[in-house]
Amino acid sequence: KQEVTQIPAALSVPEGENLVLNCSFTDSAIYNLQWFRQDPGKGLTSLLLIQSSQREQTSGRLNASLDKSSGRSTLYIAASQPGDSATYLCAVFGNYQLIWGAGTKLIIKP
Amino acid sequence: GAGVSQSPSNKVTEKGKDVELRCDPISGHTALYWYRQSLGQGLEFLIYFQGNSAPDKSGLPSDRFSAERTGGSVSTLTIQRTQQEDSAVYLCASSLGAADTQYFGPGTRLTVL
Repeated sequence: KQEVTQIPAALSVPEGENLVLNCSFTDSAIYNLQWFRQDPGKGLTSLLLIQSSQREQTSGRLNASLDKSSGRSTLYIAASQPGDSATYLCAVFGNYQLIWGAGTKLIIKP
Repeated sequence: GAGVSQSPSNKVTEKGKDVELRCDPISGHTALYWYRQSLGQGLEFLIYFQGNSAPDKSGLPSDRFSAERTGGSVSTLTIQRTQQEDSAVYLCASSLGAADTQYFGPGTRLTVL
């Protein structure tokens, strides 16, 4: 059974710092891995999707990597801003469904 | 273009009543998913549609839950004889194909009193 773990559960950093969020999964038989952000009381916004054959994807200040063999993905956020404050969720897609981590709650202090 | 929409945005019901939740996916998206997020819990997969058929119903918590999709578009999730443990935010997502990026609606917050 696929299990997805995100570390840390919460992170608070000063504005301007670069940071890394971690995601691990137990079953490497995945189609892709997706990173989302969730703002309080709002829905989910897709940030990046990495296909199982890819090693990384970039969008603006965000870079996500995937190491399928070791069951790990990282989300790198450069030059963090207060607007980046949100809960970040990773999810692996396999067997027609997304299996979710519990999320990392990120607070960027001005 | 329009994103995924869900209605109602909030629903308060009494224990034992039936409720129906609606999802309008992005036009042209063949895949549609239902998830729920309970307070303090992670996201839980409920059901997946490819077109009008649901090859995987394994996530439905009990036989009180059912879902259908018509015309390859709108989907409804029905919960019969609601229980307090059904209280959660029910999220719908659609994607162009089965393994493509999923786009989420704003959710329906269901409260069962």
